[in-house]
Amino acid sequence: DTGVSQDPRHKITKRGQNVTFRCDPISEHNRLYWYRQTLGQGPEFLTYFQNEAQLEKSRLLSDRFSAERPKGSFSTLEIQRTEQGDSAMYLCASSSRIEAFFGQGTRLTVV
Amino acid sequence: QKEVEQDPGPLSVPEGAIVSLNCTYSNSAFQYFMWYRQYSRKGPELLMYTYSSGNKEDGRFTAQVDKSSKYISLFIRDSQPSDSATYLCAMNYGGSQGNLIFGKGTKLSVKP
Repeated sequence: DTGVSQDPRHKITKRGQNVTFRCDPISEHNRLYWYRQTLGQGPEFLTYFQNEAQLEKSRLLSDRFSAERPKGSFSTLEIQRTEQGDSAMYLCASSSRIEAFFGQGTRLTVV
Repeated sequence: QKEVEQDPGPLSVPEGAIVSLNCTYSNSAFQYFMWYRQYSRKGPELLMYTYSSGNKEDGRFTAQVDKSSKYISLFIRDSQPSDSATYLCAMNYGGSQGNLIFGKGTKLSVKP
């Protein structure tokens, strides 16, 4: 499968715990994006990488969130000290030009 | 006012109907306009994208952009029950970054 892969698909965590999600983009894509989607809403942009450089961060990305893309390949998104408001679907997308292709997402539930 | 407005529906149509889905936007700087389909608990799937004003057709799907009115549409002909999903419009400014600004999505149900 050459699509965008995300892991895990589901994560349930207790409030205050740290979680980390992984995204493997389409191999030839140099751009990688993280979005967050809550119920009944469209995805909202969190951050953008071009190769290994993080070039843009949304104001939605509080200091509890950190993202990396070492070596310009896979990316990780970490949330520290999770809060119930962090419960959402976290989507990764990659692109080489205009079209962005999404993974299946990681659904996070904070209890 | 949000940058991209989309009626969330739900929209219910009989099988075979022509479906019209629409979005309006406020920022005239948007250059690229996309439509994504999202099935429940899945990631969005790109259907089509268009650049600037005009029409684009792909099978049963037609996308229209009217930049003068800041209005985009997706038409689905001969709708099928398998088209039942949430349809998201998205747009960006072009250039080297390309992060998307999405509408809320319209939930479509096609009844057999």
